[in-house]
Amino acid sequence: DVKVTQSSRYLVKRTGEKVFLECVQDMDHENMFWYRQDPGLGLRLIYFSYDVKMKEKGDIPEGYSVSREKKERFSLILESASTNQTSMYLCASRDRGYSDTQYFGPGTRLTVL
Amino acid sequence: AQSVTQLDSQVPVFEEAPVELRCNYSSSVSVYLFWYVQYPNQGLQLLLKYLSGSTLVKGINGFEAEFNKSQTSFHLRKPSVHISDTAEYFCAVIPASGGSYIPTFGRGTSLIVHP
Repeated sequence: DVKVTQSSRYLVKRTGEKVFLECVQDMDHENMFWYRQDPGLGLRLIYFSYDVKMKEKGDIPEGYSVSREKKERFSLILESASTNQTSMYLCASRDRGYSDTQYFGPGTRLTVL
Repeated sequence: AQSVTQLDSQVPVFEEAPVELRCNYSSSVSVYLFWYVQYPNQGLQLLLKYLSGSTLVKGINGFEAEFNKSQTSFHLRKPSVHISDTAEYFCAVIPASGGSYIPTFGRGTSLIVHP
């Protein structure tokens, strides 16, 4: 069975802290995504990785960076967390085809105080 | 570039009633279309997708969607909803050729099924 796991379901951090969100997929997928989900705004793409060590900025990359050292793992980094980064973060993976389904993790609800 | 509009942010309905969730898109090229569902406190999962062929697509849990190229729509329907269908529904589009290989999502429609 397909699985995308995220390191935490809930996370509370302080302003200015460095935050790491981890995502692991067990499907040998080429593509991985990080989204931010906010009420009324839907899903907004932060970063996309189409292969190991390869990444592309999405619609809202400011304040975030990513790392993909291994195919199965895609990390989202908040260099200095701010309160406006309080949100639900969703990771997804997809095989290499455009028509392929995205598989999503359960999400991490991050609160920055 | 493509865009997706989900015309209703919230759709309340009584149990066993039919429901339609509307999705319109714009794109200069042919597209693949997807509906995803997000149950409370979960990630998204695929309901159905249109790639080519028959314009009526059947998905999981009794849902179906119809691709209408002339109206650039991909509305989701279910003839009789259940309480367990209460969830957030997202329409997504991706170009079938060239362009970006990144899906564009609509803002979501919250389906609320009342007993």
